[in-house]
This record gives sequence, C-alpha cells and structure tokens, in this order.
Amino acid sequence: DADVTQTPRNRITKTGKRIMLECSQTKGHDRMYWYRQDPGLGLRLIYYSFDVKDINKGEISDGYSVSRQAQAKFSLSLESAIPNQTALYFCATSDEGVTDTQYFGPGTRLTVL
Amino acid sequence: SQQGEEDPQALSIQEGENATMNCSYKTSINNLQWYRQNSGRGLVHLILIRSNEREKHSGRLRVTLDTSKKSSSLLITASRAADTASYFCATDSGNTPLVFGKGTRLSVIA
Repeated sequence: DADVTQTPRNRITKTGKRIMLECSQTKGHDRMYWYRQDPGLGLRLIYYSFDVKDINKGEISDGYSVSRQAQAKFSLSLESAIPNQTALYFCATSDEGVTDTQYFGPGTRLTVL
Repeated sequence: SQQGEEDPQALSIQEGENATMNCSYKTSINNLQWYRQNSGRGLVHLILIRSNEREKHSGRLRVTLDTSKKSSSLLITASRAADTASYFCATDSGNTPLVFGKGTRLSVIA
C-alpha cells in the first residue's frame, strides 16, 4: 500500500550496530504498529502506538525501541543488532474505528551478520 | 502469543479448484479478518466478519464464522494461479491490536 512507506527496504548490517527503520503514512491514522516476520512464525508484534503520546510493548519488544515523532511517523530502532534479529519487518497503520483494519507497508528486509 | 491458528499450514491445488483454509482462535472476539500476503510483501486486507455474522461473501471469497467453535473458514472459489500467496486470519478482541495467526501457504498450480 503506497500510503504506508518504509525505509530502507533492504539493509545489511553487522552485529552490534545501531539500526533505525522508519515508517511514514499518509492515511491520517492514529494507530501504528511494528511487526517482525520470520519463516514459519507468522507476524509478531514488537511495539504499537495508538496515538502520538502512546507507546506500548508488544509480544517481542526486547532489543527494540520505538519513537512516535508525529502522527504520520513511527520509527523502530535496534540499539545493538544481533543475528537473530534478521527478519522481515513490517509497519502497519489502522484507524480507531469499529473494525481496526490494518494497512501494511512494503516491509524492510534486515540482515544482521 | 498468537490467538489464531490456521490450518492447513500449506495447501496445493490445481487452478479452477476451490481452496479452503481454516482458523481457530481462543478468546471471544469482536471481529475476525483475513489478510493475504504475496511473497515478501506487506499484508493486504481481504475481508472482515463481525462476531454477530455467520457468513460473508466478497467476489470469489466466502468467509464463515462459528463463534461457538471459535473457528472461521476462508473459501476461495475457482482458484487462479494469481491466488498463490499466504493467507492469515487476525482476531480483534477489543481495544488491543489484532492478533495474527501463522498463516496458510496456498499454491495454485496452472
């Protein structure tokens, strides 16, 4: 969905490096999410934010931090990357409504060597 | 932990056949949603069924929901090679994020 963009799309880094993944949206949604996807494990929620002043840990927040700079921007940081953080990372947004349907970005493929 | 569990994990069918995927969940829900993911891409919302609905249609998609059994099924009729993708169910239980299952990988062979 072009309304949700992620940068970079691909990143290779080394163990111990600090990495930031960025997400921007033009959908005007208050809610934003970060997920990681590993083969066979589906999507796992890392952090989510229901508005600019709200940050919540998800299922697997250890080793990650986030920043909600504005309604439209939600960044994910890996403070000191490790190889088992190699995964596909997705940002998503949703509107605070009855259905909470989510809209996903194209993903960032991160490899930690 | 994941709420929805899809079954089967993988499914391979011939073009023109119907594909059925199932999702089971553990707690009460407000609605259940199905998403599609083409290889390596972001998920795309397909269809939503509310807890007070039993069946819903959208084009070649048919979704059923049985809240007594805590299960849902997604039927894709007259499948096409372009339907090859992974399909995920996601449950909405209130003012918490959707919880996604692990997905079913569908391969449609031309």
